[in-house]
Amino acid sequence: AQRVTQPEKLLSVFKGAPVELKCNYSYSGSPELFWYVQYSRQRLQLLLRHISRESIKGFTADLNKGETSFHLKKPFAQEEDSAMYYCALEGANNLFFGTGTRLTVIP
Amino acid sequence: DAMVIQNPRYQVTQFGKPVTLSCSQTLNHNVMYWYQQKSSQAPKLLFHYYDKDFNNEADTPDNFQSRRPNTSFCFLDIRSPGLGDAAMYLCATQAGTSYEQYFGPGTRLTVT
Repeated sequence: AQRVTQPEKLLSVFKGAPVELKCNYSYSGSPELFWYVQYSRQRLQLLLRHISRESIKGFTADLNKGETSFHLKKPFAQEEDSAMYYCALEGANNLFFGTGTRLTVIP
Repeated sequence: DAMVIQNPRYQVTQFGKPVTLSCSQTLNHNVMYWYQQKSSQAPKLLFHYYDKDFNNEADTPDNFQSRRPNTSFCFLDIRSPGLGDAAMYLCATQAGTSYEQYFGPGTRLTVT
């Protein structure tokens, strides 16, 4: 069965500090993984996708199949990064979400 | 320029009183999803349409039904809401050839 685990419900970092939001997954097939973000009073939206291997708003995420992880990282957090972040796995044409991590960047 | 619109944004219904939530899209996407998100939990897929083909998740309660009369609109009907159905309901769309889901702002349902 597919499962996405985000172990941290809340994460606070100071502005300029590195940030890492953890995501582990369980899936028997070849996973397609995403990070979605929800800023205050805005809708859930795609941040990045593992296949793209791109950096969006300074965030990157590397798929580690050995550790079944897809952690989201940014070297220098900004106040505007404060949001709810969801890791998601696409399997069987469905999207399975983790419970989310609320990131707060302290000025 | 809203792309996925959900009405109403807040809905209050009484225990056992049928309620309908609506979703419309301007993206012309052929896939539409309904998710339920309870407090501090992950969004949970209820069902989705691929064009007119309806796909129900195995653990979606029978109390929940959906209609998609055309490409642009999709409805979530809760026949007899219970207190446990209070949640945020999210609609999302996806082009069949794309990987990205576009979410609406959600409808927060309260059951009294």
